[in-house]
Amino acid sequence: DGGITQSPKYLFRKEGQNVTLSCEQNLNHDAMYWYRQDPGQGLRLIYYSQIVNDFQKGDIAEGYSVSREKKESFPLTVTSAQKNPTAFYLCASSIAGLAGGELFFGEGSRLTVL
Amino acid sequence: KQEVTQIPAALSVPEGENLVLNCSFTDSAIYNLQWFRQDPGKGLTSLLLIQSSQREQTSGRLNASLDKSSGRSTLYIAASQPGDSATYLCAVMTGGKLIFGQGTELSVKP
Repeated sequence: DGGITQSPKYLFRKEGQNVTLSCEQNLNHDAMYWYRQDPGQGLRLIYYSQIVNDFQKGDIAEGYSVSREKKESFPLTVTSAQKNPTAFYLCASSIAGLAGGELFFGEGSRLTVL
Repeated sequence: KQEVTQIPAALSVPEGENLVLNCSFTDSAIYNLQWFRQDPGKGLTSLLLIQSSQREQTSGRLNASLDKSSGRSTLYIAASQPGDSATYLCAVMTGGKLIFGQGTELSVKP
């Protein structure tokens, strides 16, 4: 059945390490998004991609990087430059275009820096 | 810059009560508005999507309205149940990205 798969569900990282969070969708959506969720701050947009090989920075892109080599995949790398990476990360997808469409989310990945 | 606000931040009601959750946004130039539900530690589940040309959408016990000119949306939940307990988020689509409110945490007491 169609959906969005995020992995891993839980991830622990030592300070100074880069980690990559996986996001795969089989909904044939062109647009994909990465959000970060912190208690009391709601969801904040990190990066988004409307089409393969193209992506744009969101509101809090510093310390993160993404790639969009395949339509189905939009991995997020949390680099050592991200000062406060402990958070819940959510990936989403939708039909492309400025008007967008209904957003569908994965189950999230919880990253903890030790 | 688009800002989305949800009031109240938390709400507790007895089972069976009808309730309304509020969402306001500062820029009326939106393409659509979406309501989501989030259970603790989980991802978001889409509840209703209202296109900018629509005034309301209904799904079961849920009804969402949109008034673009006043920058407001409401989510009406009829005959609330303990299983409705969750955080409800609204988000507006503008410029290809979805901007979220901070959510209303709903608790329905048996």
